[in-house]
Amino acid sequence: DQQVKQNSPSLSVQEGRISILNCDYTNSMFDYFLWYKKYPAEGPTFLISISSIKDKNEDGRFTVFLNKSAKHLSLHIVPSQPGDSAVYFCAASAPTGGGADGLTFGKGTHLIIQP
Amino acid sequence: EPEVTQTPSHQVTQMGQEVILRCVPISNHLYFYWYRQILGQKVEFLVSFYNNEISEKSEIFDDQFSVERPDGSNFTLKIRSTKLEDSAMYFCASKWTSGRDWETQYFGPGTRLLVL
Repeated sequence: DQQVKQNSPSLSVQEGRISILNCDYTNSMFDYFLWYKKYPAEGPTFLISISSIKDKNEDGRFTVFLNKSAKHLSLHIVPSQPGDSAVYFCAASAPTGGGADGLTFGKGTHLIIQP
Repeated sequence: EPEVTQTPSHQVTQMGQEVILRCVPISNHLYFYWYRQILGQKVEFLVSFYNNEISEKSEIFDDQFSVERPDGSNFTLKIRSTKLEDSAMYFCASKWTSGRDWETQYFGPGTRLLVL
């Protein structure tokens, strides 16, 4: 049961252009969404997050957009840099009342930035 | 910048043996988590821990698994009798409770467990 889906296993973008990574979810109880970046043999590194009460959050080159009605979020990276080449995971959490909610991850999208 | 640390980075064990994976969460964090990633699959939630007890656990976290916070800094995951299918990367994560990113979990570098 894939509650968080990243349908593109890989994405290739030229350096300097915009990278757009997409994520869809099915659980309407999710209220917090995060993007993580992961290099091989390392742990996920937090990039940016968004609460369900917002539709956009920006942090430097990274912007996350949330469309609740479509149950869709996207991560925009502008401009893309070679160091951005990594696997990007979308993750979501649903409130359980205790505050210690586990994250549900997508399968990831491997972003390759071409020089 | 504070970070989550994990030891060992790699662990090889024989099927049926017990393993303990160790984590030092970020010092002022109050919520602690274990996740695993089997090779080629997605990161999966195992368990969360708060106020010295398990808060939430997934179906994966059966009686073979246990967690403990034996002192003020360490957080451990024990697998009592390892199976071949326990081979995976295990990630520890921690979270604070307030501030701009109070819902954000920060991950350690992982322990790669190989069960032979």
